[in-house]
Amino acid sequence: DQQVKQNSPSLSVQEGRISILNCDYTNSMFDYFLWYKKYPAEGPTFLISISSIKDKNEDGRFTVFLNKSAKHLSLHIVPSQPGDSAVYFCAAFTSGTYKYIFGTGTRLKVLA
Amino acid sequence: DAGITQSPRHKVTETGTPVTLRCHQTENHRYMYWYRQDPGHGLRLIHYSYGVKDTDKGEVSDGYSVSRSKTEDFLLTLESATSSQTSVYFCAISDKRESYEQYFGPGTRLTVT
Repeated sequence: DQQVKQNSPSLSVQEGRISILNCDYTNSMFDYFLWYKKYPAEGPTFLISISSIKDKNEDGRFTVFLNKSAKHLSLHIVPSQPGDSAVYFCAAFTSGTYKYIFGTGTRLKVLA
Repeated sequence: DAGITQSPRHKVTETGTPVTLRCHQTENHRYMYWYRQDPGHGLRLIHYSYGVKDTDKGEVSDGYSVSRSKTEDFLLTLESATSSQTSVYFCAISDKRESYEQYFGPGTRLTVT
């Protein structure tokens, strides 16, 4: 039972345009959501997060939107840069168990 | 960067042999995690620890055991390695006193032949 789903395995975007990565979840008890970026042969690095009581969080070129009624979150990258090419994982966190559940990842390729 | 190291970084072993992976942190974070990353599966939690000698299972814990005898070290043991345990293993730490962010180590690539 996949509680966190990233249904798009890959995405290609032109440099300078917007990248939108999507994530769906099934458990309404998640109270925090995070996005990680992963380059080949490296560990994932934290990108941005959002509390379940918020609907938007912004940090520079990165914005995360949360739609609780749809159990959906998205990561917007504007403008996209070639250095953003990586695999992006969304993760959901439950403070009661202190566990993180990750999606399967979306490979973003930003074309110069 | 958070101070997390993993050893070894690469290992090739034979089916049936025991293997221990080590995660070491210098951040004094309370929570430590072991994940495996496989194509099409993303990151899956194997075991995690919420304090010294306090551990719990994740979603793919069969065939793995862990130990945490001190804050800075979290060991993952494959008692009898199988080919299905060929994977990249990541350790992560977090501490809610700071934030809910997790910091990941560089990974260990394990091949079981």
